Amino acid sequence: DADVTQTPRNRITKTGKRIMLECSQTKGHDRMYWYRQDPGLGLRLIYYSFDVKDINKGEISDGYSVSRQAQAKFSLSLESAIPNQTALYFCATKGWNTEAFFGQGTRLTVV
Amino acid sequence: TQLLEQSPQFLSIQEGENLTVYCNSSSVFSSLQWYRQEPGEGPVLLVTVVTGGEVKKLKRLTFQFGDARKDSSLHITAAQPGDTGLYLCAGGDNAGNMLTFGGGTRLMVKP
Repeated sequence: DADVTQTPRNRITKTGKRIMLECSQTKGHDRMYWYRQDPGLGLRLIYYSFDVKDINKGEISDGYSVSRQAQAKFSLSLESAIPNQTALYFCATKGWNTEAFFGQGTRLTVV
Repeated sequence: TQLLEQSPQFLSIQEGENLTVYCNSSSVFSSLQWYRQEPGEGPVLLVTVVTGGEVKKLKRLTFQFGDARKDSSLHITAAQPGDTGLYLCAGGDNAGNMLTFGGGTRLMVKP
């Protein structure tokens, strides 16, 4: 099984719909992150969490919200999806001063 | 906000050629990581450098961290089609919690 699992892998949704992307990890790390990837822009941080009661905004949090349901679970929600949120979304987990471990990504298309 | 700029953005070369990818910032990082990402997958760590001037080798790949810990380079000798992918650099903060990613270099090695 993968260390970091994202569901769904692909999703097409309509403008205005609410959608949730889920992430679970088996690394036992406290730190979890949601990134968005667009061509030529690398990975941009949406939200991050250092433990269950800790939620922090990243550089592009507008239009998104998150929930840290447990140490191993961190979900990302788009309350009202818009077309410019079409992107590849990655969840990652990290220990202190270690590498980041990424899920396989969710390809989201908003039409 | 710490920014990392990678160059070039795209690189298409023939098998057997050498290449260098650059990662530059005006900020100092406590560490610098290089990741490689293949289509449909999340980024996977190649190497971490932490000391100014440090050089690490991974088979045909040579990574260098600048003396001032603001920049890094990745040199590939005798590139192979299997080297094709997106290469991302990421700078680590002093607390060991955050990674700032560059925009990536998309490499294609033709047989």
